Amino acid sequence: DAGITQSPRHKVTETGTPVTLRCHQTENHRYMYWYRQDPGHGLRLIHYSYGVKDTDKGEVSDGYSVSRSKTEDFLLTLESATSSQTSVYFCAISVGGAMNTGELFFGEGSRLTVL
Amino acid sequence: GESVGLHLPTLSVQEGDNSIINCAYSNSASDYFIWYKQESGKGPQFIIDIRSNMDKRQGQRVTVLLNKTVKHLSLQIAATQPGDSAVYFCAENLLDKLIFGSGTRLLVRP
Repeated sequence: DAGITQSPRHKVTETGTPVTLRCHQTENHRYMYWYRQDPGHGLRLIHYSYGVKDTDKGEVSDGYSVSRSKTEDFLLTLESATSSQTSVYFCAISVGGAMNTGELFFGEGSRLTVL
Repeated sequence: GESVGLHLPTLSVQEGDNSIINCAYSNSASDYFIWYKQESGKGPQFIIDIRSNMDKRQGQRVTVLLNKTVKHLSLQIAATQPGDSAVYFCAENLLDKLIFGSGTRLLVRP
């Protein structure tokens, strides 16, 4: 499973509150990703990281920020959660060592509900 | 914008039969394609990939076919088993970004 752990696995919060999701890996992979999965949309890239303190935006980055202060941890933050951010969030790492290999390993997901 | 799509949202097959899951992509510049399997409550799992300079690639019980002329990708599963029941996603690599389709659900009848 490439040693990916997401936390929390489930969270219910209220509109306007901050939320941070954590992705932890144990295998020192350089590339890490945050996706969200919604019915009818498949998986959409929020942000990704190509090294410590090196991050970039994906296709649905509005309302999200990320940080990577250590190789093993990639944090996704919703500064002020909205109901449209209710989703399942997946962290992934690129086992092939580069972004375009496609061989991503995904975590088990974090289900977020914003009331 | 351009995106990856799927022809059939749900596919039901008899156990032991072969399954074919189809995918259409719209960007001719995409150079790499991947199939993922997602079981309920789990993250997507890599199945097989193919680069644009190939038209066929085989794995264990799975084959991916790429037809660049009509921008079509398919996943064939031989001798479908109950454990193959899942949602299958195709994805294309475009400008170093993976774009996922919305998925096809495969149901295996006993």
